Amino acid sequence: RKEVEQDPGPFNVPEGATVAFNCTYSNSASQSFFWYRQDCRKEPKLLMSVYSSGNEDGRFTAQLNRASQYISLLIRDSKLSDSATYLCVVRSWQGGGNKLTFGTGTQLKVEL
Amino acid sequence: ETGVTQSPTHLIKTRGQQVTLRCSSQSGHNTVSWYQQALGQGPQFIFQYYREEENGRGNFPPRFSGLQFPNYSSELNVNALELDDSALYLCASSIGTNQETQYFGPGTRLLVL
Repeated sequence: RKEVEQDPGPFNVPEGATVAFNCTYSNSASQSFFWYRQDCRKEPKLLMSVYSSGNEDGRFTAQLNRASQYISLLIRDSKLSDSATYLCVVRSWQGGGNKLTFGTGTQLKVEL
Repeated sequence: ETGVTQSPTHLIKTRGQQVTLRCSSQSGHNTVSWYQQALGQGPQFIFQYYREEENGRGNFPPRFSGLQFPNYSSELNVNALELDDSALYLCASSIGTNQETQYFGPGTRLLVL
């Protein structure tokens, strides 16, 4: 079983739609959780951290359920510019240091 | 944009050769992490350097090694290249080892023939 699992997609949605991405992780000792965005042939960029209480940044809402080891990202009112791959990322202590584990990413295509 | 640069941008090597990839971090960022991203996959953690010492390693063989220098630059060295080493190699810098906020460079695309 992969440490971080995501549905690879692609998710093809019309502009203005609401779309949700899910992610599960296997290491119950994981400490921090993030969503990164990666555009085609570019480097990943931090979208937002994810907290147990849930957090929102404009049209983006992230949720964490530690009991179920489940992370979600909700995008409301999708824009064409939201088209990208969304990477679920988990931080854990391993091998004497902090390690970030990335999921394979979920591809989103927002269409007119 | 992120202040993290990598060189070269692209590289072609043959199996068995050795390669050195370079990363220049943001000033003041004392931690650098290296990742390998194969096509269609998420980045995989290779190792992290903090204050010039290795501080955590992923599931990569010893032929993957690194160095970090006092001037916030670092290197990833790969010996005895294999075809499966073909990937995008990303470095990311941060302050401290918690990796709460990492800044990625644009990456080096390595092709092994």
